[in-house]
Amino acid sequence: EAGVAQSPRYKIIEKRQSVAFWCNPISGHATLYWYQQILGQGPKLLIQFQNNGVVDDSQLPKDRFSAERLKGVDSTLKIQPAKLEDSAVYLCASSLLGGFDTEAFFGQGTRLTVV
Amino acid sequence: SQQGEEDPQALSIQEGENATMNCSYKTSINNLQWYRQNSGRGLVHLILIRSNEREKHSGRLRVTLDTSKKSSSLLITASRAADTASYFCATADNYGQNFVFGPGTRLSVLP
Repeated sequence: EAGVAQSPRYKIIEKRQSVAFWCNPISGHATLYWYQQILGQGPKLLIQFQNNGVVDDSQLPKDRFSAERLKGVDSTLKIQPAKLEDSAVYLCASSLLGGFDTEAFFGQGTRLTVV
Repeated sequence: SQQGEEDPQALSIQEGENATMNCSYKTSINNLQWYRQNSGRGLVHLILIRSNEREKHSGRLRVTLDTSKKSSSLLITASRAADTASYFCATADNYGQNFVFGPGTRLSVLP
Protein backbone atom coordinates (compact mmCIF):
# COMPACT_ATOMS: atom_id res chain seq x y z
CA GLU A 1 0.00 0.00 0.00
CA ALA A 2 1.14 3.57 -0.58
CA GLY A 3 2.66 5.33 2.39
CA VAL A 4 2.03 8.75 3.86
CA ALA A 5 2.86 11.39 1.26
CA GLN A 6 4.15 14.83 2.17
CA SER A 7 5.15 17.82 0.09
CA PRO A 8 7.28 19.70 -0.36
CA ARG A 9 10.36 17.84 0.91
CA TYR A 10 12.31 21.03 1.50
CA LYS A 11 11.37 24.68 1.90
CA ILE A 12 13.44 27.76 2.60
CA ILE A 13 11.66 31.00 3.45
CA GLU A 14 12.47 34.31 5.06
CA LYS A 15 11.12 35.16 8.49
CA ARG A 16 7.67 36.74 8.48
CA GLN A 17 6.76 34.91 5.28
CA SER A 18 4.06 32.25 5.18
CA VAL A 19 4.38 28.60 4.23
CA ALA A 20 2.08 25.62 3.82
CA PHE A 21 2.71 21.89 3.98
CA TRP A 22 0.55 19.16 2.56
CA CYS A 23 -0.06 15.61 3.74
CA ASN A 24 -1.93 12.70 2.19
CA PRO A 25 -2.35 9.88 4.71
CA ILE A 26 -2.67 6.19 4.00
CA SER A 27 -6.07 5.44 2.51
CA GLY A 28 -8.62 4.54 5.15
CA HIS A 29 -6.65 5.90 8.08
CA ALA A 30 -8.94 7.87 10.33
CA THR A 31 -6.31 9.55 12.47
CA LEU A 32 -3.79 12.08 11.23
CA TYR A 33 -1.00 13.73 13.21
CA TRP A 34 1.31 16.66 12.57
CA TYR A 35 4.59 16.68 14.47
CA GLN A 36 7.38 19.24 14.66
CA GLN A 37 10.89 17.85 15.06
CA ILE A 38 13.67 20.28 15.87
CA LEU A 39 17.18 19.07 15.10
CA GLY A 40 18.45 16.70 17.78
CA GLN A 41 15.08 16.36 19.50
CA GLY A 42 12.17 13.96 19.41
CA PRO A 43 9.01 14.78 17.49
CA LYS A 44 6.56 17.05 19.27
CA LEU A 45 2.86 16.69 18.54
CA LEU A 46 1.28 19.81 17.07
CA ILE A 47 -2.20 18.58 16.22
CA GLN A 48 -4.18 15.35 15.96
CA PHE A 49 -7.24 14.83 13.77
CA GLN A 50 -9.79 12.05 14.00
CA ASN A 51 -11.45 12.04 10.58
CA ASN A 52 -11.97 15.80 10.03
CA GLY A 53 -12.32 16.75 13.69
CA VAL A 54 -9.55 18.01 15.97
CA VAL A 55 -8.74 15.69 18.90
CA ASP A 56 -5.81 17.60 20.36
CA ASP A 57 -4.23 20.90 19.35
CA SER A 58 -3.01 21.94 22.78
CA GLN A 59 0.59 22.39 21.61
CA LEU A 60 -0.19 24.18 18.37
CA PRO A 61 0.91 27.85 18.48
CA LYS A 62 -2.43 29.10 17.28
CA ASP A 63 -1.29 32.68 16.80
CA ARG A 64 0.77 31.58 13.81
CA PHE A 65 0.01 27.94 13.04
CA SER A 66 -3.18 26.56 11.57
CA ALA A 67 -4.16 23.18 10.21
CA GLU A 68 -7.14 21.67 8.51
CA ARG A 69 -8.19 18.29 7.25
CA LEU A 70 -10.78 18.64 4.56
CA LYS A 71 -13.22 15.76 4.08
CA GLY A 72 -11.24 13.73 6.60
CA VAL A 73 -8.49 12.87 4.12
CA ASP A 74 -5.72 15.29 3.08
CA SER A 75 -4.41 17.85 5.50
CA THR A 76 -2.52 21.12 5.29
CA LEU A 77 -0.43 22.82 7.96
CA LYS A 78 0.23 26.54 7.59
CA ILE A 79 2.61 28.89 9.35
CA GLN A 80 1.99 32.62 9.06
CA PRO A 81 4.17 34.51 9.80
CA ALA A 82 7.19 32.24 10.20
CA LYS A 83 9.85 32.81 12.84
CA LEU A 84 13.44 31.63 12.92
CA GLU A 85 12.60 29.10 15.65
CA ASP A 86 10.11 27.39 13.33
CA SER A 87 13.05 25.85 11.46
CA ALA A 88 12.42 22.13 11.87
CA VAL A 89 11.21 19.02 10.12
CA TYR A 90 7.42 18.77 9.98
CA LEU A 91 6.23 15.20 10.05
CA CYS A 92 2.81 13.92 9.14
CA ALA A 93 1.64 10.53 10.39
CA SER A 94 -1.52 8.51 10.17
CA SER A 95 -2.98 5.52 11.92
CA LEU A 96 -5.92 3.30 11.19
CA LEU A 97 -8.02 3.98 14.23
CA GLY A 98 -6.12 6.37 16.45
CA GLY A 99 -5.58 5.82 20.12
CA PHE A 100 -2.38 4.25 21.24
CA ASP A 101 -3.13 0.66 20.36
CA THR A 102 -2.07 0.95 16.75
CA GLU A 103 1.18 1.95 15.11
CA ALA A 104 1.57 5.25 13.36
CA PHE A 105 2.92 5.48 9.83
CA PHE A 106 5.09 8.51 9.12
CA GLY A 107 5.80 10.44 5.97
CA GLN A 108 9.30 11.55 4.98
CA GLY A 109 8.72 15.00 6.41
CA THR A 110 9.17 18.55 5.17
CA ARG A 111 12.38 20.25 6.21
CA LEU A 112 11.70 23.95 6.77
CA THR A 113 14.49 26.48 7.05
CA VAL A 114 13.56 30.02 8.08
CA VAL A 115 16.28 32.59 7.38
CA SER B 1 2.33 15.47 29.58
CA GLN B 2 3.85 12.04 29.87
CA GLN B 3 7.12 11.52 28.08
CA GLY B 4 9.65 8.77 27.63
CA GLU B 5 13.29 9.54 28.17
CA GLU B 6 15.79 7.44 26.29
CA ASP B 7 19.21 6.58 27.65
CA PRO B 8 21.96 6.89 26.56
CA GLN B 9 21.65 9.92 24.31
CA ALA B 10 24.28 8.50 21.98
CA LEU B 11 25.88 5.08 21.55
CA SER B 12 28.69 3.89 19.27
CA ILE B 13 29.42 0.21 18.79
CA GLN B 14 31.20 -2.05 16.35
CA GLU B 15 29.33 -4.10 13.79
CA GLY B 16 28.32 -7.46 15.24
CA GLU B 17 28.02 -6.18 18.79
CA ASN B 18 24.77 -5.83 20.66
CA ALA B 19 23.21 -2.44 21.36
CA THR B 20 21.00 -1.73 24.34
CA MET B 21 19.03 1.45 24.88
CA ASN B 22 16.62 2.27 27.64
CA CYS B 23 13.45 4.28 28.05
CA SER B 24 12.02 5.58 31.30
CA TYR B 25 8.59 7.13 31.65
CA LYS B 26 6.71 8.90 34.37
CA THR B 27 3.18 7.60 34.73
CA SER B 28 1.21 4.44 34.12
CA ILE B 29 0.87 3.37 30.51
CA ASN B 30 -1.21 0.97 28.51
CA ASN B 31 1.60 0.17 26.13
CA LEU B 32 4.85 1.51 24.75
CA GLN B 33 6.22 1.66 21.23
CA TRP B 34 9.71 1.92 19.76
CA TYR B 35 10.45 3.74 16.51
CA ARG B 36 13.57 4.13 14.37
CA GLN B 37 14.52 7.18 12.34
CA ASN B 38 17.26 7.09 9.75
CA SER B 39 18.96 10.37 9.01
CA GLY B 40 16.68 12.69 7.07
CA ARG B 41 13.81 10.22 6.96
CA GLY B 42 10.50 9.67 8.69
CA LEU B 43 10.00 7.40 11.67
CA VAL B 44 9.43 3.68 11.24
CA HIS B 45 7.54 1.61 13.77
CA LEU B 46 9.59 -1.23 15.27
CA ILE B 47 7.58 -2.86 18.01
CA LEU B 48 4.67 -2.34 20.39
CA ILE B 49 4.67 -3.91 23.84
CA ARG B 50 1.58 -3.92 26.03
CA SER B 51 1.59 -3.30 29.76
CA ASN B 52 0.74 -6.95 30.47
CA GLU B 53 3.74 -8.16 28.45
CA ARG B 54 7.26 -8.41 29.84
CA GLU B 55 9.21 -9.23 26.71
CA LYS B 56 8.68 -9.20 22.97
CA HIS B 57 10.85 -10.22 20.03
CA SER B 58 10.93 -9.17 16.41
CA GLY B 59 13.84 -10.48 14.35
CA ARG B 60 17.03 -9.13 15.92
CA LEU B 61 15.06 -6.87 18.25
CA ARG B 62 14.14 -7.68 21.81
CA VAL B 63 12.07 -5.31 23.91
CA THR B 64 11.44 -5.65 27.61
CA LEU B 65 9.01 -3.75 29.79
CA ASP B 66 9.14 -3.36 33.56
CA THR B 67 6.04 -1.50 34.66
CA SER B 68 7.14 -1.51 38.31
CA LYS B 69 10.25 0.48 37.35
CA LYS B 70 8.46 2.39 34.60
CA SER B 71 11.15 1.45 32.12
CA SER B 72 11.67 -0.38 28.86
CA SER B 73 14.74 -1.52 27.00
CA LEU B 74 15.43 -2.19 23.34
CA LEU B 75 18.16 -4.68 22.48
CA ILE B 76 19.50 -4.99 18.95
CA THR B 77 21.57 -8.12 18.54
CA ALA B 78 24.35 -8.64 16.00
CA SER B 79 24.19 -5.02 14.90
CA ARG B 80 24.80 -3.94 11.32
CA ALA B 81 25.88 -0.66 9.81
CA ALA B 82 22.32 -0.27 8.53
CA ASP B 83 21.10 -0.11 12.14
CA THR B 84 22.72 3.32 12.43
CA ALA B 85 19.79 5.58 13.27
CA SER B 86 18.00 7.36 16.09
CA TYR B 87 15.70 5.27 18.24
CA PHE B 88 12.71 6.69 20.06
CA CYS B 89 10.29 5.30 22.58
CA ALA B 90 6.75 6.59 22.49
CA THR B 91 4.22 6.53 25.28
CA ALA B 92 0.61 7.53 25.47
CA ASP B 93 -0.30 10.81 27.07
CA ASN B 94 -2.73 11.04 29.96
CA TYR B 95 -5.68 10.70 27.59
CA GLY B 96 -4.17 7.76 25.72
CA GLN B 97 -4.84 9.55 22.51
CA ASN B 98 -1.49 10.34 20.94
CA PHE B 99 2.16 9.46 20.90
CA VAL B 100 4.62 11.44 22.96
CA PHE B 101 8.21 10.86 22.00
CA GLY B 102 11.38 11.13 24.02
CA PRO B 103 14.55 12.83 22.73
CA GLY B 104 15.91 9.56 21.35
CA THR B 105 19.13 7.56 21.37
CA ARG B 106 21.50 8.08 18.44
CA LEU B 107 23.09 4.77 17.56
CA SER B 108 26.18 4.57 15.38
CA VAL B 109 27.30 1.13 14.22
CA LEU B 110 30.84 1.25 12.92
CA PRO B 111 31.98 -1.21 10.23
